[in-house]
Amino acid sequence: SQQGEEDPQALSIQEGENATMNCSYKTSINNLQWYRQNSGRGLVHLILIRSNEREKHSGRLRVTLDTSKKSSSLLITASRAADTASYFCTHSWGGSEKLVFGKGTKLTVNP
Amino acid sequence: EPEVTQTPSHQVTQMGQEVILRCVPISNHLYFYWYRQILGQKVEFLVSFYNNEISEKSEIFDDQFSVERPDGSNFTLKIRSTKLEDSAMYFCASAGVAEAFFGQGTRLTVV
Repeated sequence: SQQGEEDPQALSIQEGENATMNCSYKTSINNLQWYRQNSGRGLVHLILIRSNEREKHSGRLRVTLDTSKKSSSLLITASRAADTASYFCTHSWGGSEKLVFGKGTKLTVNP
Repeated sequence: EPEVTQTPSHQVTQMGQEVILRCVPISNHLYFYWYRQILGQKVEFLVSFYNNEISEKSEIFDDQFSVERPDGSNFTLKIRSTKLEDSAMYFCASAGVAEAFFGQGTRLTVV
C-alpha cells in the first residue's frame, strides 16, 4: 500500500495542550500534505512540506519531515476545541498526481 | 481566498438514475480530481484530469462514471446508472503546482 498511515488512530486531549500526530509512508515522495476533516465535511488543506524541507510552520501548526525514516509529524500547539477533527497525511509520488489517504488520526480536544 | 465550490451539497436520486455532480475548481489550477468517501470509510481516489483528458483513474472509476470539463470553469462527474453502493460524499479537488484544495463535497444518496 502506498498510502500514508497516521498514528495514533485516536487522540483525546484537554484544551491548551499540544497534540502530536505522526505519519509514515512507504515510497519516495515529491511532497507531503496534511489535511483536516471535520465530521461529514470537506477536507481542509493545512500545510504542504516538500521532500527537501525538514520543518515547516503555519500559525499553531508545525510539521516535520524525515525522509530517511519516511515519516512526518504534525504538532498543534495550544489546542482549542475547534481543532477537534480528523487529520490526514497524504502525498504524491513518482509521476502520479493522485493523493492517497489513510484512516487518519481522530483528534478530540475537550474544553 | 479562492476556493473549490461544489453543487449541489446534497442530492437524493433513485437507483438507476443518472446524476451529474458539479464543481468549479480554482481558476488558475490545471489538475482536477474527484474523490469519494463512503460513510465511515477512507477518502478514495476516483480520477484525475489534466489537459482536457483523464490522466489517471482508479478501479472504482468504471464505465458508469465519466468526467467532463464542458467549459473553462466547470468540472463534472457523471454517474450514468446509480447503484445503492454509490451513496457517498463526493469531493472535487483542484491543484496548481503542488497543493490540492478540496470542495465541501456533494452528499449523494441513492434510494
